[in-house]
Amino acid sequence: KNEVEQSPQNLTAQEGEFITINCSYSVGISALHWLQQHPGGGIVSLFMLSSGKKKHGRLIATINIQEKHSSLHITASHPRDSAVYICAVRAGSYQLTFGKGTKLSVIP
Amino acid sequence: DVKVTQSSRYLVKRTGEKVFLECVQDMDHENMFWYRQDPGLGLRLIYFSYDVKMKEKGDIPEGYSVSREKKERFSLILESASTNQTSMYLCASSSRALDGYTFGSGTRLTVV
Repeated sequence: KNEVEQSPQNLTAQEGEFITINCSYSVGISALHWLQQHPGGGIVSLFMLSSGKKKHGRLIATINIQEKHSSLHITASHPRDSAVYICAVRAGSYQLTFGKGTKLSVIP
Repeated sequence: DVKVTQSSRYLVKRTGEKVFLECVQDMDHENMFWYRQDPGLGLRLIYFSYDVKMKEKGDIPEGYSVSREKKERFSLILESASTNQTSMYLCASSSRALDGYTFGSGTRLTVV
C-alpha cells in the first residue's frame, strides 16, 4: 500500500511570502492530486499531475516521478490561501491514498 | 457549475439509530466514493461504486453499507449508529477515466 507523507504538518507565513508544501510517496503512481480544504469541510481539487508541472494563477504544482516527490508552491501568499492542503495519489486502481494534510495560515 | 451535493451539513443522531447520508452528483460520473475524515488520520475510503448497483469495500467498511440505485445518487447507511462513527463524511465522484475528482461539502455527523 502506498504511503503518502506531507511536510510540513503546519505552516505559518506572512502575507506575500513564497510557500512550498511537499509530498512524498512510496510506490509508483498513475496520478497525483493536490486538494484544498477550507474550514467548514468542503474539498476543492486544485491539480491533477502525472508528470512535469502545472500552473494556475499563483499556484504551481510540480512532480518528479523518479524521486516520488511533488511540491505545491504558492507565490505572493494571501490570507485567503489559509486552508489545509492535501496530497493524494492513485496507483492504478480507483482508490486514492491521502496524506494527512498541511495546515497553512497566512497572516496579514 | 458542476456539483456534488450532500443532503446535510450537520447531523446529530442517537446511538443505535439508522442513519442515511445522501449524495447526488450532476456530472453523469460513473464513480462515486464515500470517505470519512478524522483528525490525525486523514481521509479514509469507506465504500466506492463504479456503476449503478455496483459497489466495493474500501479500507474501513465495517458498520456501514451503501446503495446506488441510480447513477447520480450514492447513499451511505449506518445500520446502527455508534459514537465511534462521529466524524466528517465526504462524498466524491469522478469520471470513469479518473481524470478528476469532485467533492461534496461534507456532513459532520455527531452520534450521541
